[in-house]
Amino acid sequence: AQKITQTQPGMFVQEKEAVTLDCTYDTSDQSYGLFWYKQPSSGEMIFLIYQGSYDEQNATEGRYSLNFQKARKSANLVISASQLGDSAMYFCAMREVSGGSYIPTFGRGTSLIVHP
Amino acid sequence: GAGVSQTPSNKVTEKGKYVELRCDPISGHTALYWYRQSLGQGPEFLIYFQGTGAADDSGLPNDRFFAVRPEGSVSTLKIQRTERGDSAVYLCASSLSGVDGYTFGSGTRLTVV
Repeated sequence: AQKITQTQPGMFVQEKEAVTLDCTYDTSDQSYGLFWYKQPSSGEMIFLIYQGSYDEQNATEGRYSLNFQKARKSANLVISASQLGDSAMYFCAMREVSGGSYIPTFGRGTSLIVHP
Repeated sequence: GAGVSQTPSNKVTEKGKYVELRCDPISGHTALYWYRQSLGQGPEFLIYFQGTGAADDSGLPNDRFFAVRPEGSVSTLKIQRTERGDSAVYLCASSLSGVDGYTFGSGTRLTVV
């Protein structure tokens, strides 16, 4: 079974609008971490935001926020006020801590295109 | 160094040849990860080092793939008898301990012709 599911292969948004990228996860661990990374066409993976499973508040980093719904096992990324430079692939990842093996598992990604 | 460095950035090799891909992590980072990313896919885990030892190599696809980290810093991913299906971007990431954030390198694009 997929541990991370990103159901949107591609998303389009108008510049300055907000956009939500979906991510659901599957784990039986109580302690885990959720990450979002951005991968522009240059290929480098850029860390955006982190949410711990015990964090009660949704994580925010500038224009990025993570809508964490633990009961639904979802960790959607919200980008406010989209910019042209936000056009990239976005990957959701989860790190479980069971067995002491801290290995992030990634989803298949969502391609975001921001239109002027 | 300031970031994770991967060399070479691009490698073209003939089917059947041996290749080595190098990763130089952030100084002091004990955890190091190798991932493989095929076109249109997310990064796929290969192997995880904690210090000098491979803590988890369950993602290595077969015995043609091997990785070392002899002094707990630089790591080398070695692929023997390369096949066209090995063509992908190989990403390396490091972390201070494995429980905090992960910093990725720019990757090595391997093309097997």
